[in-house]
Amino acid sequence: KAGVTQTPRYLIKTRGQQVTLSCSPISGHRSVSWYQQTPGQGLQFLFEYFSETQRNKGNFPGRFSGRQFSNSRSEMNVSTLELGDSALYLCASRLRFNMNTEAFFGQGTRLTVV
Amino acid sequence: DQQVKQNSPSLSVQEGRISILNCDYTNSMFDYFLWYKKYPAEGPTFLISISSIKDKNEDGRFTVFLNKSAKHLSLHIVPSQPGDSAVYFCAAKASDAGGTSYGKLTFGQGTILTVHP
Repeated sequence: KAGVTQTPRYLIKTRGQQVTLSCSPISGHRSVSWYQQTPGQGLQFLFEYFSETQRNKGNFPGRFSGRQFSNSRSEMNVSTLELGDSALYLCASRLRFNMNTEAFFGQGTRLTVV
Repeated sequence: DQQVKQNSPSLSVQEGRISILNCDYTNSMFDYFLWYKKYPAEGPTFLISISSIKDKNEDGRFTVFLNKSAKHLSLHIVPSQPGDSAVYFCAAKASDAGGTSYGKLTFGQGTILTVHP
């Protein structure tokens, strides 16, 4: 069974640009969450999607957005990139939305903003 | 405001011995806890979880203990192996009336475990 797949693995962007990251969950998993990992702040929750709807949101500015498609694949978008957005962005999928179940993470997308 | 704290940035253990990783939390609404292991340039790998209605959960070499009154949990690895060397993260999920928080995990800062042969 394939795991969570994130593309691309690495990305370099310039300040002010926008970026889109993609996540394909484990087959059958319908809940997808996104996290940002930085050395200073650690792993922080961005948002969760289920049935193409955002169900929960972390404490990030509106420049961070996401969406989920009918096949459960998800994308996150960051507009007007800032140097501080340089981070490892992780996607996680869960089998069920409304139960305590473990989240399985992808390998992440390393975003560098220059 | 760090709701999940792993106060030991690093831990060094001899192969074959027990590794004990600790985690403290402040939010009394947390009802589900997980431990993850992370290697550099990879995503976190799920190890073990525990619900707040339990005080212990075992899976092979891994055991998690939860002390709700002290708001403390620990992960025991017995016996420790060199392949266990990684960063270990404690994570927690809060209950909410709307039932929308299941996917929102709050992570600690991590503890680097080094197991020496």
